[in-house]
Amino acid sequence: EPEVTQTPSHQVTQMGQEVILRCVPISNHLYFYWYRQILGQKVEFLVSFYNNEISEKSEIFDDQFSVERPDGSNFTLKIRSTKLEDSAMYFCASGQQGSYEQYFGPGTRLTVT
Amino acid sequence: QQQVKQSPQSLIVQKGGISIINCAYENTAFDYFPWYQQFPGKGPALLIAIRPDVSEKKEGRFTISFNKSAKQFSLHIMDSQPGDSATYFCAGYRGSTLGRLYFGRGTQLTVWP
Repeated sequence: EPEVTQTPSHQVTQMGQEVILRCVPISNHLYFYWYRQILGQKVEFLVSFYNNEISEKSEIFDDQFSVERPDGSNFTLKIRSTKLEDSAMYFCASGQQGSYEQYFGPGTRLTVT
Repeated sequence: QQQVKQSPQSLIVQKGGISIINCAYENTAFDYFPWYQQFPGKGPALLIAIRPDVSEKKEGRFTISFNKSAKQFSLHIMDSQPGDSATYFCAGYRGSTLGRLYFGRGTQLTVWP
């Protein structure tokens, strides 16, 4: 069964450093999403992406964040200058065109020290 | 603003019993209500979903009951099993935008053998 994959599974970085989180969505999906989950809290939407542009972003997704689909298979989330409060589990999700269903990857745990 | 409220925060059920998790939503523009199941260290997995024009949807041991006038919906797990022990999230989604799922805070279900 096809699934969303994410790398790395765990990333430790120092405050102020840039990080890139990588995702490979399900191959025939055209809608891409990033969510995050701070430990013990609910899953929060960051951004949705379709046709090589951002469709919607949340108030969390400020100028420090960016997304990119650099090739036909990867979808990345970049945080330019990490803060302690960026420590969270980051989930990538994908969905088929015209479908409401979103399929999540296993997540990348980001720890900012 | 908490668009989706979920209760209880934790639930302990005996094997074979019925687990019931409740959610209430505020945004009447929501037109899709999924439930996700999350095991430790994994991403949320789509379990079952309902549209607001239907009052109930059943898939195996899992049933969603939907009350549009009360803006409430619930997940019922019949014949609960230890393997059902996980965190369950309800969510609301607006189809008019590509995007965000508004998650509840989650319910940690423990099924005792």
